[in-house]
Amino acid sequence: SAVISQKPSRDICQRGTSLTIQCQVDSQVTMMFWYRQQPGQSLTLIATANQGSEATYESGFVIDKFPISRPNLTFSTLTVSNMSPEDSSIYLCSVQDYLTQYFGPGTRLTVL
Amino acid sequence: AQSVAQPEDQVNVAEGNPLTVKCTYSVSGNPYLFWYVQYPNRGLQFLLKYITGDNLVKGSYGFEAEFNKSQTSFHLKKPSALVSDSALYFCAVRDGKDSNYQLIWGAGTKLIIKP
Repeated sequence: SAVISQKPSRDICQRGTSLTIQCQVDSQVTMMFWYRQQPGQSLTLIATANQGSEATYESGFVIDKFPISRPNLTFSTLTVSNMSPEDSSIYLCSVQDYLTQYFGPGTRLTVL
Repeated sequence: AQSVAQPEDQVNVAEGNPLTVKCTYSVSGNPYLFWYVQYPNRGLQFLLKYITGDNLVKGSYGFEAEFNKSQTSFHLKKPSALVSDSALYFCAVRDGKDSNYQLIWGAGTKLIIKP
């Protein structure tokens, strides 16, 4: 299975600022996903990021707020822009590998 | 519409006893079913999956799950629970006909194993 790392693991940010989360995979994968999770709650898909195409956003998520880059088959970034306390959450990167999704360790974001 | 239900918010089991975490699903096509575990302050770890074939699938850490098509269920089981099994468990399903590979997630079940 793919090994996924995320940076930063956690951060505390001021409202109105932006944070970019990095996701690195140890193998080439076509499909990557970005999720948001409130602690103890289920996962909400933000967007699907395939290399070579624009990210596809789910209802309630827009590119201006959550811009995503996918420059190659092993790397992606998610930016949380103009943050508010409501953006405080865990952000998870995931990759599709042989019908199974594997997850990174997550980025715990707190917005003050 | 596709959906996944985990009817129990929390399951309490004594160490050494068998455990079951329930999951039922609804998809229009053939279901691809998954179980994940999340330990405190950790990411999600893949436990096991059913795609096709034998209805009983075995996964990591001694867990297994049985696909029951008539009851549209995919319950997670372990014969003898360990305190270290205490975690949050998620069931997820994908419609095999769905080309966008998106998973539908259950709400999660908190498993507490008491010594």
